[in-house]
Amino acid sequence: DSGVTQTPKHLITATGQRVTLRCSPRSGDLSVYWYQQSLDQGLQFLIQYYNGEERAKGNILERFSAQQFPDLHSELNLSSLELGDSALYFCASSPEAGNTYNEQFFGPGTRLTVL
Amino acid sequence: GQSLEQPSEVTAVEGAIVQINCTYQTSGFYGLSWYQQHDGGAPTFLSYNALDGLEETGRFSSFLSRSDSYGYLLLQELQMKDSASYFCAVRDQDYGGSQGNLIFGKGTKLSVKP
Repeated sequence: DSGVTQTPKHLITATGQRVTLRCSPRSGDLSVYWYQQSLDQGLQFLIQYYNGEERAKGNILERFSAQQFPDLHSELNLSSLELGDSALYFCASSPEAGNTYNEQFFGPGTRLTVL
Repeated sequence: GQSLEQPSEVTAVEGAIVQINCTYQTSGFYGLSWYQQHDGGAPTFLSYNALDGLEETGRFSSFLSRSDSYGYLLLQELQMKDSASYFCAVRDQDYGGSQGNLIFGKGTKLSVKP
C-alpha cells in the first residue's frame, strides 16, 4: 500500500459524459501527478500540482482539467468523453524534501471505460 | 521530441539473469528511474541513477551511462513473481531542487518461465 488513495476504482460511462476522478496523496506529500495509461501508449504524464498550484503540463487534452485543493487532495475532470479516453488513470505523489531518488508513489488507479 | 526506448517483451527462465535496456532522448536529464508494474497494479519504484555507474539493490541492479543516454535494469536469480512490466523513466525538469514529472518508456513485459 503506497498510501495514495484513488476513487472510484472503476468507472463506466457513455460518450459525451463528464466524470471526476479523485486522489488523496500520501500524508505530507505536496506534489500530485496524474498519468494516463492505455494499452498502446504506456504511462503518459498529464499534469502536476504542487501545493495547490499547477506546476507542469504534459499531454493533457483541453477536455481534461485538474485542480488541487487546500487539503492537497486532487481531482481530475474529464469531459465530453470519447471512446479513446478509456484507460487507467493513475495519481502519484512525491515528497519534496529529501527525495533524492525521483521516487513517486502511485495510487491503485481508476479504470475508466467509455461505452 | 522526448522519447525513451525499451524492448516491448523479454522472456527468461527462473533462476536466470535478464537485462532490460533503455535509451532516452529528453530535453533535460535529472536521473533515470525504473518502475515495476504487475498486471492490473500500480507502478512501484525499483531504482534510480543520477550518476554514471551501477546501483545495486538486492537482486536488482541498474546502470546508467549519461554520455550514451543509456541505462539498463539487471534482474538476477529470476523468480516467477518477477513477471511484470518494467518501465524506465526520466525526470526532465528541475524546479530549483524540487521534484518534477517523469517521462516513461512504454514498458518491457517480462515473462519468467519455470
